[in-house]
Amino acid sequence: EAGVAQSPRYKIIEKRQSVAFWCNPISGHATLYWYQQILGQGPKLLIQFQNNGVVDDSQLPKDRFSAERLKGVDSTLKIQPAKLEDSAVYLCASSLVTGRDGYTFGSGTRLTVV
Amino acid sequence: AQKITQTQPGMFVQEKEAVTLDCTYDTSDPSYGLFWYKQPSSGEMIFLIYQGSYDQQNATEGRYSLNFQKARKSANLVISASQLGDSAMYFCAMREGQGQNFVFGPGTRLSVLP
Repeated sequence: EAGVAQSPRYKIIEKRQSVAFWCNPISGHATLYWYQQILGQGPKLLIQFQNNGVVDDSQLPKDRFSAERLKGVDSTLKIQPAKLEDSAVYLCASSLVTGRDGYTFGSGTRLTVV
Repeated sequence: AQKITQTQPGMFVQEKEAVTLDCTYDTSDPSYGLFWYKQPSSGEMIFLIYQGSYDQQNATEGRYSLNFQKARKSANLVISASQLGDSAMYFCAMREGQGQNFVFGPGTRLSVLP
């Protein structure tokens, strides 16, 4: 089974620029998550999708962050404009059902804002 | 208030020895799940082990076992016979009730010495 794919792997941008990250979950996984992991911290949920609907985006800074999941499969996360404090690893994860299964995470996109 | 506490920022262990990584949690929901993830330097989060709040026995998965003490609200990860490849960040996480969102702890960096 293919894992969760993310791209790009690394991105360096200047503050006030925009950036987009892409995630392709495991086939058949209805639930997709975007997490932000700041260096030295545990991941923090930004947004959760169930199919193509948003379940939880309470911690998403909506003035600059947006996300969509077209057709309930791939997802993109966008930051516009970026701030220095957005430097982090952005992890995408997907899951099949709630319960004993953990999520399957992608390798993440490491964003550096300079 | 922190829902997941990991008090050991860093741990060292000699190869082939056992090591315990601490995790305490806070929840008022009687139904919850506890998870441990490993994050190597490559960045992806790897699911290790799961413990449900109603599980009668401690979870085990190969060299990983979970020392679940419900009254103390602790869910320590025990790694037996440490290997050099075990060097990584380890995160404890909790999922409450029927929710699908994880809350992660700050992590413990484990270094296995040859």
